[in-house]
Parts: sequence; structure tokens; C-alpha cells
Amino acid sequence: EVQLVESGGGLVQPGRSLRLSCTASGFTLGDYAMSWVRQAPGKGLEWVGFLRSKTYGGTPEYAASVKGRFTISRDDSKSIAYLQMNSLKTEDTAVYYCTRDRRSFYGMDVWGQGTTVTVSS
Amino acid sequence: QSVLTQPPSVSGAPGQRVTISCTGSSSNVGAGYDVHWYQQLPGTAPKLLIHGNSNRPSGVPDRFSGSKSGTSASLAITGLQAEDEADYYCQSYDSTLSAWVFGGGTKLTVL
Repeated sequence: EVQLVESGGGLVQPGRSLRLSCTASGFTLGDYAMSWVRQAPGKGLEWVGFLRSKTYGGTPEYAASVKGRFTISRDDSKSIAYLQMNSLKTEDTAVYYCTRDRRSFYGMDVWGQGTTVTVSS
Repeated sequence: QSVLTQPPSVSGAPGQRVTISCTGSSSNVGAGYDVHWYQQLPGTAPKLLIHGNSNRPSGVPDRFSGSKSGTSASLAITGLQAEDEADYYCQSYDSTLSAWVFGGGTKLTVL
């Protein structure tokens, strides 16, 4: 079964850091780009960033709201993608989803169950 | 303020047909970028419903269909069922922002 499982969420103080993990199973992570999407409480979906597969350079892109603070990386040998979040703000409070991103025609076709990040003092 | 505009809510009785619009601009939908639709049932993660404007992934009932014209796209649901009650989001790429963008979401209520 194709599956993504996020972990690493929790309560963190403003200005601190947190790293989320996304473990893939049922497919070869290295063959795909991966995106992170978040959803603030009671709000809609917001794209956070994505990381191309190594075949396409392995380079990232980020939303303006997180650029310079968040970093997406991957360890294809372990089938894990990461979202490193630094200088966290209260407005980063959300459920964070990792997705398998098949880009233009196919969209985000696999989603994890999400992990909750709460930024509060 | 989302780059893609959706109605906040729509409703319909069981068996009826409803449509959800997604209005963009010349830097996203109108530029030819594909539109995708996601369904988010209460308390769950989003699920891909329509990809590439009008294509259904395996397992999605043919009651769901998508279309695109100009700077807008639409999701149609026929034969409404109680289990269709969910939030629906459209998504595309925006060349000005160099980013994936989502609509604000539409809450479907089955009366």
C-alpha cells in the first residue's frame, strides 16, 4: 500500500525550531517530488514548499511565507522527507501534511495523515 | 485572500447536482496550468479527486467531474450523497508567485 506517515509535530515556543519527518512506503521515494502543505486551525490549505527528485536536480521551492526559515530535504535511502522549521512564529501553527507531488498533470496524489504543530509561549 | 477564488459554501439535496467554481487569472489557470481538485472529509487529510482539469484517479466515482475554460475551472457532483459532505479545494500553479496555489475551499452541505 502506498502510504506517507508524518511525525515530529508538537508544541514549540516562538522563535524555536522543529523538524518534521515524512516516511514513505509502498513506492520509491527517490522517484518523486515531495511537497509539504499546511492547514491552520479552521482555515484552508496552504502550500509550504516542495523538493524535486534527484532526477530533476533535487532542488527546492518555497512559499514566500516560509522562505528563509523552512528547509525541505530528503534521504531517499531511508525513504524519508524532512521539513526543518526554524524561527517559528505563532502563525505557523497548523496541521502539516506531506504529499507525493506528481507536478503539473497529476497533482498531489498521495497525502499523509498530517502532524500538528502548535507554536505558542 | 486566495489567488484562486471559490464560493465559501454550496448545498444540495440528495440526488441533485451541484457545481463548485474556481476562478483564477492569466498567471495561473488562464496561463494553461492544470487544475486539480481535492476532497477533505471532516477530520481527515485531503484526497485527490480530479487531476489535470478533468481526470479522475482510480477509485473516484464518475459522479465527480471537472472542467476548465479560460481563467476558471469547475467541479461538478451529480447524484449527491450524504457522504459527499466535505470541503473541496482547487489547486493550480501560479507563474507570478512561482508557487502552487489553492483556492480558499468550498464547504458542501448535503441537505
